[in-house]
Amino acid sequence: DVQMTQSPSTLSASVGDRVTIACRASRNISRWLAWYQQKPGKAPKLLIYTTSTLQTGVPSRFSGSGSGTEFTLTISSLQPDDFATYYCQQYSSYSRTFGRGTKVGVK
Amino acid sequence: EVELLESGGGLVQPGESLRLSCVASGFSFNTYAMSWVRQTPGKGLQWVSGISGSGGNSYYADSVKGRFTISRDNSKNTIFLQMNNLRAEDAAIYYCAKDTGYDGYYYFDQWGQGTLVTVSS
Repeated sequence: DVQMTQSPSTLSASVGDRVTIACRASRNISRWLAWYQQKPGKAPKLLIYTTSTLQTGVPSRFSGSGSGTEFTLTISSLQPDDFATYYCQQYSSYSRTFGRGTKVGVK
Repeated sequence: EVELLESGGGLVQPGESLRLSCVASGFSFNTYAMSWVRQTPGKGLQWVSGISGSGGNSYYADSVKGRFTISRDNSKNTIFLQMNNLRAEDAAIYYCAKDTGYDGYYYFDQWGQGTLVTVSS
């Protein structure tokens, strides 16, 4: 299986901050990467797919980039609703795998 | 509006069985593959099993192969996960998730609210 490694595992930020989360794949996954946001007690919510395409309704402050094995999720100006845990997921093979998550908390 | 509603979770002893269900609405059910994804604090999110839109193809994570069976009833917009010989490490929140294609490997654009499976003696 493709292993997905996210960093950092936690980060503290303030409203208005620019936040960047990294995701590394153990092998080349081209651009077959999605990002999800999860809040406590809720299911994950799709934010971005195919590395950089925003899901309908997702604010434009979210963006994604990368290819191959290195990917990033950026929140250009953190908003109160963005405090949550973020997961990357590869779908280059049937055994889809997720990163362990990055929890974005209040500084 | 797409809705996925899971049911069937509960407390079972190791070695016992459980059957999860997920009823879908708001989209053309038989044109999309569906998956089960589980989540634990220790292992995070883990894809468990998937099934093609017709139900003709099914796929499993190695950790559940031979013990779990996924199926679907397109006349009832429902997928199932039959879980046999449950182990402590199968304890998790199980989510039903909608794939974004008919048969293959995709991301998940809709998720249910999850159903909790506890395996303990």
